[in-house]
Amino acid sequence: AQKITQTQPGMFVQEKEAVTLDCTYDTSDQSYGLFWYKQPSSGEMIFLIYQGSYDEQNATEGRYSLNFQKARKSANLVISASQLGDSAMYFCAMRSVGGGADGLTFGKGTHLIIQP
Amino acid sequence: EPEVTQTPSHQVTQMGQEVILRCVPISNHLYFYWYRQILGQKVEFLVSFYNNEISEKSEIFDDQFSVERPDGSNFTLKIRSTKLEDSAMYFCASSEARGTYEQYFGPGTRLTVT
Repeated sequence: AQKITQTQPGMFVQEKEAVTLDCTYDTSDQSYGLFWYKQPSSGEMIFLIYQGSYDEQNATEGRYSLNFQKARKSANLVISASQLGDSAMYFCAMRSVGGGADGLTFGKGTHLIIQP
Repeated sequence: EPEVTQTPSHQVTQMGQEVILRCVPISNHLYFYWYRQILGQKVEFLVSFYNNEISEKSEIFDDQFSVERPDGSNFTLKIRSTKLEDSAMYFCASSEARGTYEQYFGPGTRLTVT
């Protein structure tokens, strides 16, 4: 079974600062993918970034980067130069690659609030 | 940009009634999913669907749930006899393929069972 742990239920960050959202995972799969989604107050789920377990480079997508430490089983999301519009719930998720479970397993989320 | 759409955005139903939640996945996607999110909780996987059959389902997806792709565009989730605890946001998602491909989520249907 897969498990995602997000230990920060809420975070307050000043605008323009960088923020790191923590995510640790547990799986017995050799090949897996890690995802981050953003959920604004309007409720939709917005895909942000993906990291494969065999990717040697950390994923980056604009202001988002994923700090992937495989030995520590962590996949932290880093948002550089935070903006007011970044205020939202952030969910870390994972699923198997190349067989095994296809559904995403989500963490409980981190509620990020950017303050002016 | 193509997107997943869901209807209705909000559905209110009485306990014991049947509901059908509808989704139109992105047109070239082959894998379809339903998730639910009880208010204030994490998103939970319900079922995945490929090639006109269920490929995986969670323990939540019991006999009261069913999914169907009735035509070339729609993907539906039916709850046969709703219970109070079925109240949640239901998200449809679609993906080009399995594994490394991201799943694109629809805006969700908020189901309220009274």
